Amino acid sequence: GEDVEQSLFLSVREGDSSVINCTYTDSSSTYLYWYKQEPGAGLQLLTYIFSNMDMKQDQRLTVLLNKKDKHLSLRIADTQTGDSAIYFCAERAHNQGGKLIFGQGTELSVKP
Amino acid sequence: DTAVSQTPKYLVTQMGNDKSIKCEQNLGHDTMYWYKQDSKKFLKIMFSYNNKELIINETVPNRFSPKSPDKAHLNLHINSLELGDSAVYFCASSPDRNGNTIYFGEGSWLTVV
Repeated sequence: GEDVEQSLFLSVREGDSSVINCTYTDSSSTYLYWYKQEPGAGLQLLTYIFSNMDMKQDQRLTVLLNKKDKHLSLRIADTQTGDSAIYFCAERAHNQGGKLIFGQGTELSVKP
Repeated sequence: DTAVSQTPKYLVTQMGNDKSIKCEQNLGHDTMYWYKQDSKKFLKIMFSYNNKELIINETVPNRFSPKSPDKAHLNLHINSLELGDSAVYFCASSPDRNGNTIYFGEGSWLTVV
């Protein structure tokens, strides 16, 4: 079935780049997503990528998709303390509309 | 001018009670969802409605009943609350049932004691 996996923790220093990785199993996924959740807050849609793309850039965020290896990554350039949050990778379940399959989330800690 | 708003944000209640969480979206979207986030931060879909029609119904106990009076509202009613129902419940919406972009509310923190 569908499954999404991420490492649980990542710690970086302010100003460095952060790379959060994700693997998924459903090769028919058409959309893949990154959501951000700050403590006590909701889920913020950061960015998404369509499966026919290899890369998408949006300001400090770069998403890379390796469809062959079913690997998705989110790179945050010049990481700031305000980027500290949990980042969720998600794939849209095949033929099931808005059913998102989420990873367990990567907690990013940014140290000054 | 919150896009997807849920009430209440926090709810503490005793086992056996019945409670409701309300959700409204002002984005003009056709499709709304309820997702549940457990204590380990794991997120899973519960229900989805498209223009008041139920389109996704995951394996959820019958004690959970969604109600959509119109396409801008999707409420979640929970009967006979159990300790294991303690979680964060997120409402979400998308422009259509394809769900290409899904926007979440701020969450409702439910604690059953």
